[in-house]
Amino acid sequence: DAGVIQSPRHEVTEMGQEVTLRCKPISGHNSLFWYRQTMMRGLELLIYFNNNVPIDDSGMPEDRFSAKMPNASFSTLKIQPSEPRDSAVYFCASSLDVGRGGGYTFGSGTRLTVV
Amino acid sequence: AQSVAQPEDQVNVAEGNPLTVKCTYSVSGNPYLFWYVQYPNRGLQFLLKYITGDNLVKGSYGFEAEFNKSQTSFHLKKPSALVSDSALYFCAVRDIRRNYGQNFVFGPGTRLSVLP
Repeated sequence: DAGVIQSPRHEVTEMGQEVTLRCKPISGHNSLFWYRQTMMRGLELLIYFNNNVPIDDSGMPEDRFSAKMPNASFSTLKIQPSEPRDSAVYFCASSLDVGRGGGYTFGSGTRLTVV
Repeated sequence: AQSVAQPEDQVNVAEGNPLTVKCTYSVSGNPYLFWYVQYPNRGLQFLLKYITGDNLVKGSYGFEAEFNKSQTSFHLKKPSALVSDSALYFCAVRDIRRNYGQNFVFGPGTRLSVLP
């Protein structure tokens, strides 16, 4: 298995532009998570999906952030409009049967820089 | 609510010496406990987990962790550190009695530096 695949690896954009981050979870995993990592705040859970349905989006910082999971093999995190304070590394993770002790598999992340 | 503390931001150890990265947790019931490692410019990688059974858990790369229920701790250990162990280490906990979701709580991370 190729693991959790995120694209792009790096994104530099100007303030006000729309940014879309993409994630392909491990085949067969039924939960997907979006995290943001910064030096100041560490790892923050933004949103997670179970069987393609958003379960908890309380970590999404503002209405400028939105996430979708149209099918079991693809998810997007969109920021519109982007702001410099959104600069961070965004990780996607997937898991199977976390309730039975399954762990997470993380992607390599997307480093977003908003200038 | 469940929480995880990693009391040390930074741990320095000489190569060949034993290392310990500390983690304490708070949950309302029995916990699932995990350690993850993050190398520079990489995602988090699973190291080991405790679900039930033997309190001493062995994981990848020679790491092990000991679950101590009375002290609510799950410290990560390795008998002999390598320079290549230098990374950011995260402890995570999930309260198995809580069914509202499947998300973990991650600690703030501890940066381990192994000096040659």
